[in-house]
Amino acid sequence: SYELAQPLSVSVALGQTARIPCGGDNIGSKSVHWYQQKPGQAPLLVIYRNDYRPSGIPERFSASNSGNTATLTISRAQAGDEADYYCQVWGTSVVFGGGTKLTVL
Amino acid sequence: EVQLVESGGGLVQPGRSLRLSCAGSGFSFGDHTMTWIRQAPGKGLEWVGFIRRAVYGGASEYPASVKGRFIISRDDSKSIAYLEMRSLQSEDTAVYYCTKEGQPGHGYFDLWGRGTLVTVSS
Repeated sequence: SYELAQPLSVSVALGQTARIPCGGDNIGSKSVHWYQQKPGQAPLLVIYRNDYRPSGIPERFSASNSGNTATLTISRAQAGDEADYYCQVWGTSVVFGGGTKLTVL
Repeated sequence: EVQLVESGGGLVQPGRSLRLSCAGSGFSFGDHTMTWIRQAPGKGLEWVGFIRRAVYGGASEYPASVKGRFIISRDDSKSIAYLEMRSLQSEDTAVYYCTKEGQPGHGYFDLWGRGTLVTVSS
């Protein structure tokens, strides 16, 4: 079965750029989606189809996908960006990465 | 308001059954694949199953971890999706989220309910 690998945690200084990787075999050939989940809340779609932002998601959120790694990029990181972030693909089944906890220092 | 509201969670003994409901509003419910996703305490997201739109026969799919025990159904006339869970085990303890697929065929979830907690314990 297909697997997605994410680091357990990523730290970023306030106002700097955070990059959260999501690894998978030839993931660049798939459509990757990203979710943000804050404590006690349901996940929120922040990126879909590799690099599209839903309405209401700040332009600071962007993403790329190539080769074996997809990457979520958060520019000018804010304290409110602290959350768990999950990547997801849908092939023969729905697959989520294990999640990355983003800490803004 | 566009929303999904889950209900039916609670404490259930191992081996028993439980049915969750997901009521949608503010969008054309029947035009979307509906997917259930769960999250065990302190863990990540796990796909539980989905049910396609009626135009695709309302077919459902499940991962191996729940196949044969969980059944998803839908009543588009009421804008409700159901998750019937049987032979529940402690490993099924989780918050269960109902989600709506975004653009058909693109496999992302653009609307989530707040979730309902299922606790399997004696």
